[in-house]
Amino acid sequence: AQSVTQLDSHVSVSEGTPVLLRCNYSSSYSPSLFWYVQHPNKGLQLLLKYTSAATLVKGINGFEAEFKKSETSFHLTKPSAHMSDAAEYFCVVSARSPETGKLIFGQGTTLQVKP
Amino acid sequence: DTGVSQNPRHKITKRGQNVTFRCDPISEHNRLYWYRQTLGQGPEFLTYFQNEAQLEKSRLLSDRFSAERPKGSFSTLEIQRTEQGDSAMYLCASGPIMNTEAFFGQGTRLTVV
Repeated sequence: AQSVTQLDSHVSVSEGTPVLLRCNYSSSYSPSLFWYVQHPNKGLQLLLKYTSAATLVKGINGFEAEFKKSETSFHLTKPSAHMSDAAEYFCVVSARSPETGKLIFGQGTTLQVKP
Repeated sequence: DTGVSQNPRHKITKRGQNVTFRCDPISEHNRLYWYRQTLGQGPEFLTYFQNEAQLEKSRLLSDRFSAERPKGSFSTLEIQRTEQGDSAMYLCASGPIMNTEAFFGQGTRLTVV
């Protein structure tokens, strides 16, 4: 079985400071991991993905995440927050198994960016 | 290609009525998912198709819910005898091969009054 836990329901940062959104996962199979972003009244957009290649993954808009198997973590970071980064962020796990391809979402982290 | 398309975008219905939503995935994607999202929560998995075969269905899905993908292209999600608790955003996503990312539509917002 797969599950994902986002450790913070709400994160607040000042514009220009680093962003850290934390995610731990559990998977019976080798996982694929993703971060999605959802702006108010917008659809879910893929930020980045890990699918067993490089453990440090770069995504859009300056975001990156590092897969750490020993810690079962996939934290999302950005060196400098912009006002436009304010949104809901979801960590997602999928098992790389022929039996299932479903994506399991975390509960989400709301990122607030203060001027 | 314009991405995953869902219709309608909004639906208001009276309790007890049946509703049907449509999802047109990205062409050539053989995987298709339905999710439900309520306010302040992450999307919950409902069901998953690979081509026309429904491979998995959540235990959260009551018998009032049914989904089809008759020709392996578009899909429909029907809710019979709607209840107020069915009010949510219903999301469709598609993906090209096993265990890669999925691309989401804008969703259909259902309000049951």
